[in-house]
Amino acid sequence: DTGVSQDPRHKITKRGQNVTFRCDPISEHNRLYWYRQTLGQGPEFLTYFQNEAQLEKSRLLSDRFSAERPKGSFSTLEIQRTEQGDSAMYLCALVEAANYGYTFGSGTRLTVV
Amino acid sequence: SQKIEQNSEALNIQEGKTATLTCNYTNYSPAYLQWYRQDPGRGPVFLLLIRENEKEKRKERLKVTFDTTLKQSLFHITASQPADSATYLCAPQTGANNLFFGTGTRLTVIP
Repeated sequence: DTGVSQDPRHKITKRGQNVTFRCDPISEHNRLYWYRQTLGQGPEFLTYFQNEAQLEKSRLLSDRFSAERPKGSFSTLEIQRTEQGDSAMYLCALVEAANYGYTFGSGTRLTVV
Repeated sequence: SQKIEQNSEALNIQEGKTATLTCNYTNYSPAYLQWYRQDPGRGPVFLLLIRENEKEKRKERLKVTFDTTLKQSLFHITASQPADSATYLCAPQTGANNLFFGTGTRLTVIP
C-alpha cells in the first residue's frame, strides 16, 4: 500500500478509443501529479494540481489529454482518440510535504493496439 | 538543453560489495536532488533527498553525495543484498513542482 491507489492497473484499448484512469489518495494531500513512463525511460511530468486547480501542464499533454481533480481529492486522467504512442505507464504522485519526497502509486499500464 | 545522465543502464555487483551509481546533470541548478527505487511494474519509491547545501546524506545502508560544482550526485549502497536489485532513478529538483527524472540504472546484486 503506497498511499496512492490507481485504477485500473492495466488497460488494453483499441486505437481511437477513449480511456480514463483514476487516482485516489488515501489521505489528504494538496499537491497531486500525473507522470508518464515509457519502457526504459524515467517518469515524465504531465500535469499538477494544487487542490482542485490544475496549475501546470507539460507540452507532452496534447489536447487529447485532460485531467481533473473536482473536489481536491481524487483525480482522473482521460485520453481521447488513443494512439499507439500513448502506450505507457501512467503514474500518479503526491508530495510528502515534510521532505518533498513524492509518493507514487503503482500506475496504470496502458496498451493501445 | 537540460540533461540527466545516469552512469550506465545496468550494473552488476557481488553481494556484500558497495554499489555506486552516478548521476550527472547539465543545464540545471537543482535546489534538491532525490533518489528513487523502482521495481518492475511498480511506481518509484522515494529513498533520499539531499539539499544543495548538504554534501552528504545517509540512511541505513544508503549514502548520497551532492556536488553542485561538478553537477553530480553519487548514490552508494553498502553491504549490498540481492533484495537491493532494482532500477534506481536520480531526480534533480529545481522547485517544489519541478522534479525531473533520469533514465535510471538497473542494479543486479549477484548472490
